[in-house]
Amino acid sequence: AQSVTQLDSQVPVFEEAPVELRCNYSSSVSVYLFWYVQYPNQGLQLLLKYLSGSTLVKGINGFEAEFNKSQTSFHLRKPSVHISDTAEYFCAVSDPGNQFYFGTGTSLTVIP
Amino acid sequence: DAGVIQSPRHEVTEMGQEVTLRCKPISGHDYLFWYRQTMMRGLELLIYFNNNVPIDDSGMPEDRFSAKMPNASFSTLKIQPSEPRDSAVYFCASTYDSYYGYTFGSGTRLTVV
Repeated sequence: AQSVTQLDSQVPVFEEAPVELRCNYSSSVSVYLFWYVQYPNQGLQLLLKYLSGSTLVKGINGFEAEFNKSQTSFHLRKPSVHISDTAEYFCAVSDPGNQFYFGTGTSLTVIP
Repeated sequence: DAGVIQSPRHEVTEMGQEVTLRCKPISGHDYLFWYRQTMMRGLELLIYFNNNVPIDDSGMPEDRFSAKMPNASFSTLKIQPSEPRDSAVYFCASTYDSYYGYTFGSGTRLTVV
């Protein structure tokens, strides 16, 4: 079975500062990795995904994530955050059976 | 493409009443998932279907919960009788392969008083 750990439940950061949201996973098989964003009172939206190939993937809104197989990590980064980035961020892993396993989420709060 | 459509967006009901939540997946997506989100437990997978057939319902909390998918374009999640602890946001999601990720609906916020 797969599992996903998001190491920080809340991350406050000042506007225009860089941010990293951490995600580790455990899996005995090859998996796909995803980051989703949930704005208040909305559903989850796909931010980016890693399927194969280059370990650095770029997503929407200036976010990027790096897949590290040896550390089983998939951390999300943004060099300069905006107020509008305030949201809940979920890391997820999917197995070949098309089932997703979500982390518990990281609440990012951007402070003016 | 209208995305995954859930109805209603909000539902307030009294304890003991039957509640039915509805979901229309994206056309062509043959996997459909029902999730529940609460502050205490986060996102929980309740059940998922493949080609209208329930594959894994181990997340359904108890017999008061039931889900059906009578055809490829419609699914329901029913709670009977409802209890205050069922209050949560219920999401439906669909995909045709995990390679593409899930597409989520906007959710139904259920309040049982």
